[in-house]
Amino acid sequence: GQSLEQPSEVTAVEGAIVQINCTYQTSGFYGLSWYQQHDGGAPTFLSYNALDGLEETGRFSSFLSRSDSYGYLLLQELQMKDSASYFCAVKRNTPLVFGKGTRLSVIA
Amino acid sequence: DGGITQSPKYLFRKEGQNVTLSCEQNLNHDAMYWYRQDPGQGLRLIYYSQIVNDFQKGDIAEGYSVSREKKESFPLTVTSAQKNPTAFYLCASSIGTGEETQYFGPGTRLLVL
Repeated sequence: GQSLEQPSEVTAVEGAIVQINCTYQTSGFYGLSWYQQHDGGAPTFLSYNALDGLEETGRFSSFLSRSDSYGYLLLQELQMKDSASYFCAVKRNTPLVFGKGTRLSVIA
Repeated sequence: DGGITQSPKYLFRKEGQNVTLSCEQNLNHDAMYWYRQDPGQGLRLIYYSQIVNDFQKGDIAEGYSVSREKKESFPLTVTSAQKNPTAFYLCASSIGTGEETQYFGPGTRLLVL
């Protein structure tokens, strides 16, 4: 089987940096994706890591360590609009497997 | 504009009633998916389809049925056998089944009367 672990909730201050971790156990691992979902909305794709290292896309960065079965999403210069749920998802040769999500609350 | 549409936005079901949720995409994607989301939970896969006239059960298929007669359409029927259908249902598509990027519709919230 497969499993993904993420913290259920994280709170951070506007303008700060926050890291959302994801550990996974799965066979046939190809890479790790991250999605953002605002309350009542649809998940949207943020980033994907197939190789070890850091991928940067504007204020968001994502990191993967295949040897540690671990990744994280880094959000910099937090804004109130970043308050949302963030899901990691494992890519295999079958449909993505999603974690339960981390609810990020950005406070002033 | 290309994208995925789901209808209706809200749906009410009476006891013992089957209801069908619509999902249409104009992205020319081969793969389509249905997910169920409960409060504070992740996305649980109900069914997916890799190609027209083909579909596979996901992790929680019991009480649900699907069809894929056209590439653009992947309707989900919530049958009376599904005893706890109240949830947020999300449809998604991707170029292929194993793609890291899925595109989601706006969702349908199903409530039981």
